[in-house]
Amino acid sequence: TAGITQAPTSQILAAGRSMTLRCTQDMRHNAMYWYRQDLGLGLRLIHYSNTAGTTGKGEVPDGYSVSRANTDDFPLTLASAVPSQTSVYFCASSDASGDHYGYTFGSGTRLTVV
Amino acid sequence: GQNIDQPTEMTATEGAIVQINCTYQTSGFNGLFWYQQHAGEAPTFLSYNVLDGLEEKGRFSSFLSRSKGYSYLLLKELQMKDSASYLCAVKDSNYQLIWGAGTKLIIKP
Repeated sequence: TAGITQAPTSQILAAGRSMTLRCTQDMRHNAMYWYRQDLGLGLRLIHYSNTAGTTGKGEVPDGYSVSRANTDDFPLTLASAVPSQTSVYFCASSDASGDHYGYTFGSGTRLTVV
Repeated sequence: GQNIDQPTEMTATEGAIVQINCTYQTSGFNGLFWYQQHAGEAPTFLSYNVLDGLEEKGRFSSFLSRSKGYSYLLLKELQMKDSASYLCAVKDSNYQLIWGAGTKLIIKP
């Protein structure tokens, strides 16, 4: 089934440790996004990539980094995790405009930093 | 600042009609989106409005008034499976999506 695969599904991480959240899509979408979702808040954009080889900062980029070496993969790295990074992380992708068909989201990674 | 407002929670009865409102204040406007998110799952795309008026898609319709900064999602013939959160999002002048916190819809038999 075409779509986005995120791994891991959930993770408990010690503060100060690093971690990479993986995201792979097979729809050949140019644009990819990383969001975090916290209770009572809207989805907040962490980083995005409009096409392979380019990335940009979203609303809450501090403490996170991304790379886009090819069209399919868009990993998110936490260099040194802090408890405030406890959240549900969603990867998403879209075609050029992302309008008529919206964004396709992965199933999410639930991260707890202790 | 940019702001998307929607009610936190609504309750409706199976078989009835419910309207979920969304008001927005953003720097520019390049379209409004509605997504459905079941608990513990990913958001899924429902609708896109860029011009004023009503877009109908089966049991779901979405309305937009750009002059009022207002949209609503109308769900007809409610089913238990419609119990979910409904997220309103606006694409701003930088073509970035600004998301509301979502409206949790509870359907009662």
